[in-house]
Amino acid sequence: DIQMTQSPSSLSASVGDRVTLTCRASQSIGRYLNWYQQKPGKAPKALIYAVSSLQSGVPSRFSGSGSGTEFTLTINGLRPEDFATYYCQQSYIDTTFTFGGGTKVEVK
Amino acid sequence: QVQLQESGPGLVKPSETVSITCSVIDGSVSSFYWSWIRQSPGKTLEWIGYISYSGITKYNPSLKSRVAMSVDTSMNQFSLKLTSVTAADSAVYYCARHWSSSWDSWGQGTRVTVSS
Repeated sequence: DIQMTQSPSSLSASVGDRVTLTCRASQSIGRYLNWYQQKPGKAPKALIYAVSSLQSGVPSRFSGSGSGTEFTLTINGLRPEDFATYYCQQSYIDTTFTFGGGTKVEVK
Repeated sequence: QVQLQESGPGLVKPSETVSITCSVIDGSVSSFYWSWIRQSPGKTLEWIGYISYSGITKYNPSLKSRVAMSVDTSMNQFSLKLTSVTAADSAVYYCARHWSSSWDSWGQGTRVTVSS
């Protein structure tokens, strides 16, 4: 399986901050990288697909970049509703889809 | 906007089979591929497998021997069966819709606890 490693596992930030989360794949996955947001007790919510395309309705303060094995999710101007856990996920062709361990964004 | 609604037994005994159904609301199961994903308490997400509207399946190799998925287009739903369950299978089970190699719509999840 392709292993997905997210860093940091948690971070503290304030409203208005610019936050960058990192996701690394154990082998190249091209642009088959997606991001999800999950709040406690809720289902994950799709944020970004194919590295940098926003899902419908996702605010433009979220952006993604990267290719191959290293990817980032950036939140520009953190808002109160953005405090959550973020997961990356690879969907490379003919592989077992796997998720990273998550990054929890907490209030500083 | 499509909605997904899981329904499951809640509590299952060890070694038994758990069956969970996902109803597709305001959309059709007869398009797209559909996945099952689970999350054990405090853990990350684990993809279980997917099924297409025509019945094509792909399962996570780690669960393949115990998993079966089916689709019922007349009922607009799809289902998951997991056999020989143990405590390690206790989790929240989600159904989700594939879109552009990601999952764009998720159900709210159904909790399954394996305990005697």
